[in-house]
Amino acid sequence: GENVEQHPSTLSVQEGDSAVIKCTYSDSASNYFPWYKQELGKGPQLIIDIRSNVGEKKDQRIAVTLNKTAKHFSLHITETQPEDSAVYFCAASISTSGNQFYFGTGTSLTVIP
Amino acid sequence: SAVISQKPSRDICQRGTSLTIQCQVDSQVTMMFWYRQQPGQSLTLIATANQGSEATYESGFVIDKFPISRPNLTFSTLTVSNMSPEDSSIYLCSASIAGGPETQYFGPGTRLLVL
Repeated sequence: GENVEQHPSTLSVQEGDSAVIKCTYSDSASNYFPWYKQELGKGPQLIIDIRSNVGEKKDQRIAVTLNKTAKHFSLHITETQPEDSAVYFCAASISTSGNQFYFGTGTSLTVIP
Repeated sequence: SAVISQKPSRDICQRGTSLTIQCQVDSQVTMMFWYRQQPGQSLTLIATANQGSEATYESGFVIDKFPISRPNLTFSTLTVSNMSPEDSSIYLCSASIAGGPETQYFGPGTRLLVL
């Protein structure tokens, strides 16, 4: 089955700096890659997603890039703010196969004011 | 998107008892899922809740321990049976929306502590 690895496990940045979180996947059939933000005491919230027919997607300060050949995708947060502090999870799925998501191990991001 | 609610939000239970967690979605959904998230860990899929039929369980999870119901398109329950302290965890419900993209939307979770 699919195996998703996520790095780093923890990340601290100064407010205003950029943060990058990277994930790799093993199954070349995976074609949908969402990113979730989980704040303390809450459920995961979808923040951005990308499909395999697209190389990059942006939404304000958040962007995701996908390299299908290398089987890796990354989350980029620019101009970080203290409210960006949370745990971020990447996931991979084959959208035509029962929609099962395979999650990365999570990255705890701390933005230092 | 979808709004997913779970009840209870948290509970403290005694060893050997059972707890039923409810999940309600405000939209028509195609698929519903139950996950377990142990403290500081990632999400582990327990099962896919199928409407009108038995849930599909992942390796390591069995129906006797985690019975699941899904009587209609927007509602599901997960029971954690004969609980032990090792069952202390966050239990999350998620759903994919009918006619929408294939993403999953998550509920707020149920925080369970077993003493």
